[in-house]
Amino acid sequence: NAGVTQTPKFQVLKTGQSMTLQCAQDMNHEYMSWYRQDPGMGLRLIHYSVGAGITDQGEVPNGYNVSRSTTEDFPLRLLSAAPSQTSVYFCASSYGGLAGETQYFGPGTRLLVL
Amino acid sequence: KQEVTQIPAALSVPEGENLVLNCSFTDSAIYNLQWFRQDPGKGLTSLLLIQSSQREQTSGRLNASLDKSSGRSTLYIAASQPGDSATYLCAVSTSGGGADGLTFGKGTHLIIQP
Repeated sequence: NAGVTQTPKFQVLKTGQSMTLQCAQDMNHEYMSWYRQDPGMGLRLIHYSVGAGITDQGEVPNGYNVSRSTTEDFPLRLLSAAPSQTSVYFCASSYGGLAGETQYFGPGTRLLVL
Repeated sequence: KQEVTQIPAALSVPEGENLVLNCSFTDSAIYNLQWFRQDPGKGLTSLLLIQSSQREQTSGRLNASLDKSSGRSTLYIAASQPGDSATYLCAVSTSGGGADGLTFGKGTHLIIQP
C-alpha cells in the first residue's frame, strides 16, 4: 500500500490564484480530513469527510473548498489564495471515525502565497 | 474549547537515557489520545493510540499512559537513541463523528545526543 499520498510537495502561488491540493489513499478508509500546520499554532482541522459524498467544515474552513466523489480521493481547493494561507497542509485518513481509530497522515504540501 | 499543552517544548538528552514527555488537555471528555512523531519536513507517524477507557499502551521502547480524569498523558521513551530525535505531538479526539477533528498540542522537539 502507498498509504496516504499528497501532491504537489511544494507550490508557490500569487495572491488571488486558485489551486487544488490532491490527496489520495489506497487503504479503503472512510474518514478523511485536511489540516494546516503553522508555526506556533499546531495543526488545525480545515475540512473532513466521513465517506464519499459527505463533507463538513472543521475549525478553519474559510477560503477552502472540498469534495469527496470517491472513497480514495479528497482534494482541497483554494479558491483565491491569500498570504495567510501560506502553510503546510496535511491530509489524513482512518478506517472509521475518530473514535478509536489511528489516523494516517500524508507527507504534506508546502504552500507559499506571495 | 479543548486545549492541549505539551511540556517541555524542547528537550535534549544524551543517548541511553530514559525520558518522559508530558501532555495535558483541558476537557476530559475525550474518545482517545494519540501520540505522533514528526521528522523535519515530513508527515506525522502515529506511535500509540490510547482509548479513553484504557490506562496505557506500549510499543517497543515506548509506553504511553492516560489519566483521563486529571487530563494528563505521558509518553515514556526507554533507552533513547539518536534515531528518536524528532518532534513528538500529542492529539486528542473529542468527537467520535469527526466534527472537531483532532486537537493537537504544539509538540516537544526532542534531540538525542550521540
